[in-house]
Amino acid sequence: QSALTQPPSASGSPGQSVTISCTGTSSDADGNNYVSWYQQHPGDAPKLIIFEVNKRPPGVPDRFSGSKSVNTASLTVSGLQAEDEGDYYCASNAGTISVFGTGTKVTVL
Amino acid sequence: EVQLVESGGGLAQPGGSLSLSCAASGFTFSLYEMNWVRQAPGKGLEWISYISTTGMAKYYAESVEGRFTVSRDNTKNSLILQMNSLRVEDTGVYYCARLHFYHLDFWGQGALVTVSS
Repeated sequence: QSALTQPPSASGSPGQSVTISCTGTSSDADGNNYVSWYQQHPGDAPKLIIFEVNKRPPGVPDRFSGSKSVNTASLTVSGLQAEDEGDYYCASNAGTISVFGTGTKVTVL
Repeated sequence: EVQLVESGGGLAQPGGSLSLSCAASGFTFSLYEMNWVRQAPGKGLEWISYISTTGMAKYYAESVEGRFTVSRDNTKNSLILQMNSLRVEDTGVYYCARLHFYHLDFWGQGALVTVSS
């Protein structure tokens, strides 16, 4: 299965918002959406920040939010902070096989 | 605290073999499906393998199908990835990750695999 499509880069100044798109996601036959987002800092393992389109795991700031429309999911980081700089990946999972996005490098100016 | 710790990475020659292990702790390992995900140097994430809770169901990415084998030992809380017929393009960091419903909620720190002559 082909990777989901993300823009290679995005940037914003501290306090601003940045939105990353992820194209190619789809719902299953029951209309369920299983899109998740991962943040990765250089040298570190990926970290789950959004699951099931718009849910946050415990400890993830509410500055991170997700949405989905038809076959495009989006991650918005509001109130950008220096520590938000890193790589972000979307993923779609159908229960067994996961497909990752191409990744987006977020730069905080 | 959930912990996943990979080991067994290193240098292998093209055509050679390596085995990676992932030691799980802090949760009931036998109740969770597990995945392997890899990342080539400077590249994005690539899902490569899934294994069910019992180990009966296994799935692989086309890039590793027929060369890699995933297994698990629920008595030892351990996940294994046996990698044979290694290629230069298999070089990268390999992560084990816990599948919770439809997302990977915990990841190991990764194990570096280098395939080079």
